[in-house]
Amino acid sequence: EAGVVQSPRYKIIEKKQPVAFWCNPISGHNTLYWYRQNLGQGPELLIRYENEEAVDDSQLPKDRFSAERLKGVDSTLKIQPAELGDSAVYLCASSLARGLAQETQYFGPGTRLLVL
Amino acid sequence: QKEVEQDPGPLSVPEGAIVSLNCTYSNSAFQYFMWYRQYSRKGPELLMYTYSSGNKEDGRFTAQVDKSSKYISLFIRDSQPSDSATYLCAMSVDSGTYKYIFGTGTRLKVLA
Repeated sequence: EAGVVQSPRYKIIEKKQPVAFWCNPISGHNTLYWYRQNLGQGPELLIRYENEEAVDDSQLPKDRFSAERLKGVDSTLKIQPAELGDSAVYLCASSLARGLAQETQYFGPGTRLLVL
Repeated sequence: QKEVEQDPGPLSVPEGAIVSLNCTYSNSAFQYFMWYRQYSRKGPELLMYTYSSGNKEDGRFTAQVDKSSKYISLFIRDSQPSDSATYLCAMSVDSGTYKYIFGTGTRLKVLA
């Protein structure tokens, strides 16, 4: 079974430029998460989707970040404009059903973003 | 003070050693405790999952939770070079929430 797929794996941009990350969750997984992992830190949740609905985006910096999950499958996370402090690894994860704590979250390999 | 504290390491041990990795936490509402392993340039993968207090064993790995001390541990027996990775603890409250709070991760290197 294929795992969570993310692209691109690496992205280097100049500040103030836009950037987008794509995630394809495990087939059949209804819940999708975007995390940001700064260097030497653990992942921090940005947004969680149940199907196509964003049920928790409280940690998403809405002035520059946006996300969508059309048709409840693939998802895109966008930053516009990017700032130096956005340099991090952006991880996508998915889980099977309602995002309960005891469900396993499966992570993708992440997109490593460097903003110059 | 962070909700979850974890020594970032690095921790270097010889092959075959017993490794002890630990996290402390401040939120007494945490009920679900997880250990993830993250290889360099990869996403985290779940190793162990424990609900409430007690021990759980899976092969060479043992997870312990001491809720009275707000302290969790992961033990790795007969450590191998392939165990070299960053180990992240994660926790969640028992209210049907999905929100994991991760530690910073401990970087482990097992020397052949």
